Amino acid sequence: AIQMTQSPSSLSASVGDRVTITCRASQFIRNDLSWYQQKPGRAPKLLIYGASSLQSGVPSRFSGSVSGRDFTLTISSLQPEDLATYYCLQDYNLYTFGQGTKVEIK
Amino acid sequence: EVQLVQSGAEAKKPGESLRISCKGSGYNFMNYWIAWVRQMPGIGLEYIGVIHPGDSDTRYSPSFQGQVTMSVDKSISTAYLQWSSLKASDTAMYYCARRDFTSLLEFFDSWGQGTLVTVSS
Repeated sequence: AIQMTQSPSSLSASVGDRVTITCRASQFIRNDLSWYQQKPGRAPKLLIYGASSLQSGVPSRFSGSVSGRDFTLTISSLQPEDLATYYCLQDYNLYTFGQGTKVEIK
Repeated sequence: EVQLVQSGAEAKKPGESLRISCKGSGYNFMNYWIAWVRQMPGIGLEYIGVIHPGDSDTRYSPSFQGQVTMSVDKSISTAYLQWSSLKASDTAMYYCARRDFTSLLEFFDSWGQGTLVTVSS
């Protein structure tokens, strides 16, 4: 089974900061990865698919990239409403979520 | 507007059976796989499986194979997740999600609001 190692598990940043979250796949998964935002008490929401394609309606401060087996979600300028847990999901072989990154606002 | 509406919270005892539902609207329900995802209290997301409403083709995560059963009633655009004998460890929030495709890329683009299942004696 493909494992997704997500880091960090949590972070605290100030409004306006650039935030980076990483998922490393245990094997090559092409660009078969999406990112989800889950706000407290809410269902997950799709942010990025195909490693770097922004879902319609998602603010442009969110972006995704890939280098080999390493996938990155970047929030270019953190906003108060970005308080949430973020998950990656690989769909190259079945599906595997990363462990999640909780983003807090300082 | 695509919507997935799930059934309400359930409180059950160990050994009881349960079926929760996920009703799709605003799109052709027959054409999109429905996924089920578990979130145990304070824990991350876990993939349970997917089902195709058109032909009821199912794919289970090995971790959940034999533990739950997915089904659909396409006449009412509803997918189901069921247990024959609940355990305390089944206590979790369960989400359904629609799987979409574009240019060979796939993703879960719409999610239900979640169904909280609590199993306790």
